[in-house]
Amino acid sequence: EAEVAQSPRYKITEKSQAVAFWCDPISGHATLYWYRQILGQGPELLVQFQDESVVDDSQLPKDRFSAERLKGVDSTLKIQPAELGDSAMYLCASTSGLADTIYFGEGSWLTVV
Amino acid sequence: GQNIDQPTEMTATEGAIVQINCTYQTSGFNGLFWYQQHAGEAPTFLSYNVLDGLEEKGRFSSFLSRSKGYSYLLLKELQMKDSASYLCAVSEGNTPLVFGKGTRLSVIA
Repeated sequence: EAEVAQSPRYKITEKSQAVAFWCDPISGHATLYWYRQILGQGPELLVQFQDESVVDDSQLPKDRFSAERLKGVDSTLKIQPAELGDSAMYLCASTSGLADTIYFGEGSWLTVV
Repeated sequence: GQNIDQPTEMTATEGAIVQINCTYQTSGFNGLFWYQQHAGEAPTFLSYNVLDGLEEKGRFSSFLSRSKGYSYLLLKELQMKDSASYLCAVSEGNTPLVFGKGTRLSVIA
């Protein structure tokens, strides 16, 4: 069964450092999402891509977060500089259509110390 | 935008039935999803409702009433492995899926 791949699975970083997460969606899925999930909360959307274009990044803290999907396949989410409040699970998800089922990767746990 | 409300926590006994409710406010409704999320893991898809009524899938069923902005997830013959968070999520218009805060279900012996 096809899966959304994410790495790293776990990351500990000091505040003010840079950190990056990578995602490879299910093959053929044009829509890719990055969500952030704080412990005890539901996932919250950071950015949505349609192929290589950003469709929605209204909730992305652009002063420190950036995301790209240069060739419309895999994607990178970067945080620089990291802050203590960024500690969360970063989930990548993909879907073949807007109202279709979203499939999540295993997530990347970030701890900022 | 959506206002999605679901209970924070529930406890139920192994072998019993539990119903997890979700209410939402939205326009341009496309569909409602339920996801299961075990601690420390990513959400996994359980069910999708776009029309009113009950969708049954093994021990899990999901119900939708669009006029009432209401859905529930029904879990039968509860097992210890069903202890997890259950996320209600709504698809609206052209916006990405929006999730509720999740209901943490504890199954006890």
